[in-house]
Amino acid sequence: GAVVSQHPSRVICKSGTSVKIECRSLDFQATTMFWYRQFPKQSLMLMATSNEGSKATYEQGVEKDKFLINHASLTLSTLTVTSAHPEDSSFYICSATLGQGRTDTQYFGPGTRLTVL
Amino acid sequence: AQSVAQPEDQVKVAEGNPLTVKCTYSVSGNPYLFWYVQYPNRGLQFLLKYITGDNLVKGSYGFEAEFNKSQTSFHLKKPSALVSDSALYFCAVRDMSTGGYQKVTFGTGTKLQVIP
Repeated sequence: GAVVSQHPSRVICKSGTSVKIECRSLDFQATTMFWYRQFPKQSLMLMATSNEGSKATYEQGVEKDKFLINHASLTLSTLTVTSAHPEDSSFYICSATLGQGRTDTQYFGPGTRLTVL
Repeated sequence: AQSVAQPEDQVKVAEGNPLTVKCTYSVSGNPYLFWYVQYPNRGLQFLLKYITGDNLVKGSYGFEAEFNKSQTSFHLKKPSALVSDSALYFCAVRDMSTGGYQKVTFGTGTKLQVIP
């Protein structure tokens, strides 16, 4: 149980285009989903926290107009990288929790490798 | 504020030997501690967590971790390492003292290499 999927697993796009990444909780309803960015050989950087039906909460320094997050249902959250540039190339990972309790474990998706040419 | 430190970038151990991956934390109140493992180009997999109770927590794949409040540590251990344990390990902490949902802070990761 508690499986999270991401699609696509890998995407290459041209500079200036937009890319959408999907995160789905396959066997549970995820009240809260998180989006992380991971640079090579570095830890995870939390980008934003999203709750179903409400606006995402972005971490300091993350551009909300560039990284659009939509949590349309209890099983789906999307991250759209708008007008992507080479510096946006990274490994993007989502996670989900079963509820909003303080003891909830985060379950991670397999990640999406974005390369912007 | 909460923080977590993984002092070793890399740990090498021979197959069959015990392994330890170190983690120390800092929180204002009580900690909620996790260990995750990441294989190349994959997301993080949950190994184990500590909230309260027994200081020795057992998790997936034969891993365990020992919570030490006086040393503010939560080291990951395994009695006998396997080559397949080679991966990147992340320790994470959440401060339980404040109300509402608090984000989890991840360490910088420790690369474990098990040598055949």
